[in-house]
Amino acid sequence: DAGVTQSPTHLIKTRGQHVTLRCSPISGHKSVSWYQQVLGQGPQFIFQYYEKEERGRGNFPDRFSARQFPNYSSELNVNALLLGDSALYLCASNGGTGVANEKLFFGSGTQLSVL
Amino acid sequence: AQSVTQLGSHVSVSEGALVLLRCNYSSSVPPYLFWYVQYPNQGLQLLLKYTSAATLVKGINGFEAEFKKSETSFHLTKPSAHMSDAAEYFCAVSWANFGNEKLTFGTGTRLTIIP
Repeated sequence: DAGVTQSPTHLIKTRGQHVTLRCSPISGHKSVSWYQQVLGQGPQFIFQYYEKEERGRGNFPDRFSARQFPNYSSELNVNALLLGDSALYLCASNGGTGVANEKLFFGSGTQLSVL
Repeated sequence: AQSVTQLGSHVSVSEGALVLLRCNYSSSVPPYLFWYVQYPNQGLQLLLKYTSAATLVKGINGFEAEFKKSETSFHLTKPSAHMSDAAEYFCAVSWANFGNEKLTFGTGTRLTIIP
């Protein structure tokens, strides 16, 4: 079975541009979460979606938005890119059963570089 | 604010030696605890998780961790290091409510294995 897949794997943008990152969860998983991992730091929670509804939002500006589609795939959008948005963006999925310590499965990430 | 602290951003051990990676959390309420491993250019893989069923948790690849409530710690150990253990290790906690599996990660510890 395919794991969590993210596209593209690498992306280079310039300041002020907009970017869309995509994520396909493991088949059968209904919950998708997004994390930002800046070089040398641990991942930081951005969003969680379940059944197309936002379940959680981290401490990120409104330039960051996301959505989930009926097939449970998800997009993360970032507007007005800043140099500080350069990071590895990780997508994770799980069944969304509501069990508090349910295992998250992570994709390999999209490496975004903002010049 | 609830947080996770990993002591030591870099740890080096000889092949065959004991691995000890430290993690402390700050919370008056015991959280759900996890250890993840990240190999270069890859996403995060769950090593083990604390489920409150037992304070000593065994994970994959010979790793284990012990939850100590009195010390608010969840240190990761492995009796004998292998070269393949070289990677970045992240401790994470969740105080998830139903359906919100937000993880808060530590800053990570890079483990180097000396031949």
